[in-house]
Amino acid sequence: GQNIDQPTEMTATEGAIVQINCTYQTSGFNGLFWYQQHAGEAPTFLSYNVLDGLEEKGRFSSFLSRSKGYSYLLLKELQMKDSASYLCAWTVNTGFQKLVFGTGTRLLVSP
Amino acid sequence: GAVVSQHPSWVICKSGTSVKIECRSLDFQATTMFWYRQFPKQSLMLMATSNEGSKATYEQGVEKDKFLINHASLTLSTLTVTSAHPEDSSFYICSARMDDGSYGYTFGSGTRLTVV
Repeated sequence: GQNIDQPTEMTATEGAIVQINCTYQTSGFNGLFWYQQHAGEAPTFLSYNVLDGLEEKGRFSSFLSRSKGYSYLLLKELQMKDSASYLCAWTVNTGFQKLVFGTGTRLLVSP
Repeated sequence: GAVVSQHPSWVICKSGTSVKIECRSLDFQATTMFWYRQFPKQSLMLMATSNEGSKATYEQGVEKDKFLINHASLTLSTLTVTSAHPEDSSFYICSARMDDGSYGYTFGSGTRLTVV
């Protein structure tokens, strides 16, 4: 089967650093995405990891370990506008390359 | 950049009626589109994969006769919720995979369906 887990909710304060973890158990894994989603809106692409290691993009970084089935999204210098849901998603290595989402993490940034 | 236009943004319908949601790729061809449903405070759940010119592939537990998907052209996929019930009230969103060899997925803006 396929299973991908994230913490349900996290809280942090403005200016801090937060790490959102994502663990997965799936067959046919191709690559892992991180998306940000505000309520009632479409997800916004943050990062994509296909190889092991850390990908840095401004305040956001994403890490992947394929052998451990583990990824994390690191958010630095948190801002109030970072309050949102963060979704990890993986592409299944089938002909259609379907994108399957994890359970999602709601992040609340407080002053 | 690639844009997927989704309509309507919101719709209210009566129980027992059908509702059609459209997703159109504006400046690229999308042979594959994905349809998701999202309940409040939950993640996106993949319902089905829509393929131009062929039958959609539904995920386990999704009723194909209730959620009709048509992908008649390279730029248009539609989801019809038939005989809607209040429990079908949800946020429906489509996504298109780029056919340019990149790893990109583009999302529609979503449709809030309320069945009364």
